Amino acid sequence: GENVEQHPSTLSVQEGDSAVIKCTYSDSASNYFPWYKQELGKGPQLIIDIRSNVGEKKDQRIAVTLNKTAKHFSLHITETQPEDSAVYFCAASMTNAGKSTFGDGTTLTVKP
Amino acid sequence: DTEVTQTPKHLVMGMTNKKSLKCEQHMGHRAMYWYKQKAKKPPELMFVYSYEKLSINESVPSRFSPECPNSSLLNLHLHALQPEDSALYLCASSQVLRGAIPLHFGNGTRLTVT
Repeated sequence: GENVEQHPSTLSVQEGDSAVIKCTYSDSASNYFPWYKQELGKGPQLIIDIRSNVGEKKDQRIAVTLNKTAKHFSLHITETQPEDSAVYFCAASMTNAGKSTFGDGTTLTVKP
Repeated sequence: DTEVTQTPKHLVMGMTNKKSLKCEQHMGHRAMYWYKQKAKKPPELMFVYSYEKLSINESVPSRFSPECPNSSLLNLHLHALQPEDSALYLCASSQVLRGAIPLHFGNGTRLTVT
């Protein structure tokens, strides 16, 4: 089955700095890569996603890049703010499968 | 606020109790999921319903019993749980049961088994 590895497990940055979280996947059939943000006491919420026919996608301060050849994708957050502090999960899935495989999560702390 | 509503937010139960977790969505989604999440871990899939029929059971112990009364509601009935079942139970939905589409999560029920 699919295996997703996520790094780093914890990340601390100063407010205004950029943060990058990386994930690698094992199954070349995976074609959908969402990122979820989970704040304390809440469920994961989708913040951005990318499909395998696209190399990069941006939404304001967040962007995701995908390298299909290397089977890795990354989340980039620019101009970080304290409210970006949360646990971030990457995931991978494929069209004909009903399940997503999650990475182990990255705890991001943005220091004011 | 999330469009998937879960009740109760917190639940404490003894090992001999019977309780139920409830989940509701009004987005017209036809796939609904139960996940279990332990501290500092990713969500772990338990069950998936598609068009009100159980489609995936990830070999979950029978002390967890899911039910999907209609396309908007999902229940998880709990009986004779163990302390190690203490966790955050998340409900999620998606338009249909298919990979390559986003999941919409509720805020979960924090379950403590004493």
